[in-house]
Amino acid sequence: AQSVTQLGSHVSVSEGALVLLRCNYSSSVPPYLFWYVQYPNQGLQLLLKYTSAATLVKGINGFEAEFKKSETSFHLTKPSAHMSDAAEYFCAVNYNSGAGSYQLTFGKGTKLSVIP
Amino acid sequence: GAVVSQHPSRVICKSGTSVKIECRSLDFQATTMFWYRQFPKQSLMLMATSNEGSKATYEQGVEKDKFLINHASLTLSTLTVTSAHPEDSSFYICSARDRDRVRLEQYFGPGTRLTVT
Repeated sequence: AQSVTQLGSHVSVSEGALVLLRCNYSSSVPPYLFWYVQYPNQGLQLLLKYTSAATLVKGINGFEAEFKKSETSFHLTKPSAHMSDAAEYFCAVNYNSGAGSYQLTFGKGTKLSVIP
Repeated sequence: GAVVSQHPSRVICKSGTSVKIECRSLDFQATTMFWYRQFPKQSLMLMATSNEGSKATYEQGVEKDKFLINHASLTLSTLTVTSAHPEDSSFYICSARDRDRVRLEQYFGPGTRLTVT
């Protein structure tokens, strides 16, 4: 079974500081991995995805994530936090649920607060 | 591209009534759509997977007679909450997978806030 663990339900950083949101996955096969962002009362927006190409993935809004197979990790980073980055972030793994059907499994989410 | 819409964005209904939520893929064809439920400060929980022209597959613990899902076309899926009760109040989010990009990401709708009074 596939699973995703996000360490830290709430992370606070100062504006301009490094953002690091942690995600570890469990997968018996090479996974597809995603980071989504959710603003209050809105749906999910894709930040970036790993699909077995380059291990360092660049996404929107200055975010990037590195796939580390040895550590089963896919941590999300941004060099300098902006106030507009305050939101809920979800890591997800895409897996084959059978008969070629793929489903997403989400982590519990990490709320990012940015302190002015 | 890859836009998914939901209607309505917010709905308030009385206990015992039924509510229908629509999910549309606006610029692509979606053979598969997903319905999620999200409680405050929690992650998304998959309720069911619907494939165009066939019956939905419900996750364990989700009452299929209460949450009716219809996926009548490649661009429209509907979720009907029947005989709604206050405990059904939640944020419902749909997503759709592009027919031509089966293994990759799902595109999410903006969500529907359901409040049952």
